[in-house]
Amino acid sequence: ETGVTQSPTHLIKTRGQQVTLRCSSQSGHNTVSWYQQALGQGPQFIFQYYREEENGRGNFPPRFSGLQFPNYSSELNVNALELDDSALYRCASTTPGETYEQDFGPGTRLTVT
Amino acid sequence: KNQVEQSPQSLIILEGKNCTLQCNYTVSPFSNLRWYKQDTGRGPVSLTIMTFSENTKSNGRYTATLDADTKQSSLHITASQLSDSASYICVVFAGSARQLTFGSGTQLTVLP
Repeated sequence: ETGVTQSPTHLIKTRGQQVTLRCSSQSGHNTVSWYQQALGQGPQFIFQYYREEENGRGNFPPRFSGLQFPNYSSELNVNALELDDSALYRCASTTPGETYEQDFGPGTRLTVT
Repeated sequence: KNQVEQSPQSLIILEGKNCTLQCNYTVSPFSNLRWYKQDTGRGPVSLTIMTFSENTKSNGRYTATLDADTKQSSLHITASQLSDSASYICVVFAGSARQLTFGSGTQLTVLP
């Protein structure tokens, strides 16, 4: 197991609602990325934060937003939830260095009804 | 658009047999390519990481190859074990953008 933790483990929301998912990174990992993983698919990159600023974004709409805090923990916020947002959301913190090795958290299973 | 395509989508082999998984990518600029193993319900775990100058790297029974000219990589698994049953994901890192592009994975099932 990595030192990356996420909460909650599971979440059920209704279409149109807002949700906040949380991630605590490994000590010393100043970069965190968030991924959406649909069943049977590989992770899709949502965005990345480095030292509290977003510095990379995948093909996701603005209703997906995030925060990174001084202790390098982070949040993923999704507004106006849609049924297709149902997925496993994983965060990953990065080992400093050129190889950009990532440690993944266990994920939060979001179900939108 | 940066893309990583993997084949086959799924594969079933008998325990003890070898297999090879394929990955083609169009990510630019290329920094490194890694293969991850993802067990059901678990996060991806890195098997190998290869930079532009490396064309083969081994990790136990796993051997990855990289042809940066054709933008192709393969993961060869020898003497498969039941515990090899998992999804194998090819990921390419674009260094300047600090972004990873994930393939959809190959679901490998090893049968006794």
